[in-house]
Amino acid sequence: QQQVKQSPQSLIVQKGGISIINCAYENTAFDYFPWYQQFPGKGPALLIAIRPDVSEKKEGRFTISFNKSAKQFSLHIMDSQPGDSATYFCAGFSSGSARQLTFGSGTQLTVLP
Amino acid sequence: DGGITQSPKYLFRKEGQNVTLSCEQNLNHDAMYWYRQDPGQGLRLIYYSQIVNDFQKGDIAEGYSVSREKKESFPLTVTSAQKNPTAFYLCASSPPGVRETQYFGPGTRLLVL
Repeated sequence: QQQVKQSPQSLIVQKGGISIINCAYENTAFDYFPWYQQFPGKGPALLIAIRPDVSEKKEGRFTISFNKSAKQFSLHIMDSQPGDSATYFCAGFSSGSARQLTFGSGTQLTVLP
Repeated sequence: DGGITQSPKYLFRKEGQNVTLSCEQNLNHDAMYWYRQDPGQGLRLIYYSQIVNDFQKGDIAEGYSVSREKKESFPLTVTSAQKNPTAFYLCASSPPGVRETQYFGPGTRLLVL
């Protein structure tokens, strides 16, 4: 059962544009929602994360928007740069008995120069 | 220089052979994890360990085995029972009390000859 659905699968954006990646979750026990960035041949790195008690979190050019009632959250990359070209994964975490991350399927972002 | 190391970077397995992937961390993290990454499927949890000499199956444990004899080390064995082992394998760890924040190693790519 896929508990975190991520879209789109791939995204092409011009330099300076806004990149938007969306995720929807099913497990209402999730209480932490991180985004990871992965470059080819490397391990994922934590980019930004949010808890469901806030609707938005911003760190530099990266913003998470969170809609608890819709069980959706999204990553916005402002002023996208070619160096942002990578695969992005959303995830959900429950601090209950399972206590493990459930990942979305990933979005391959390409920022054209 | 703290971090998570995985070796080897590439590993080739012959039919019917067991192979072991190494994961070492010097971050003093007590929890460690193994994920499998296939194209378009995100990361799937194989096994995890929260303390030495204890580990639990993740979502796709069949055909894999682990041990946790030392806090710093969490090797993964891909057995001959795993019929489709070709994938990118990622090891991660998380600090005490912050299970939701996972740090990943650089990965091992396993290929079948």
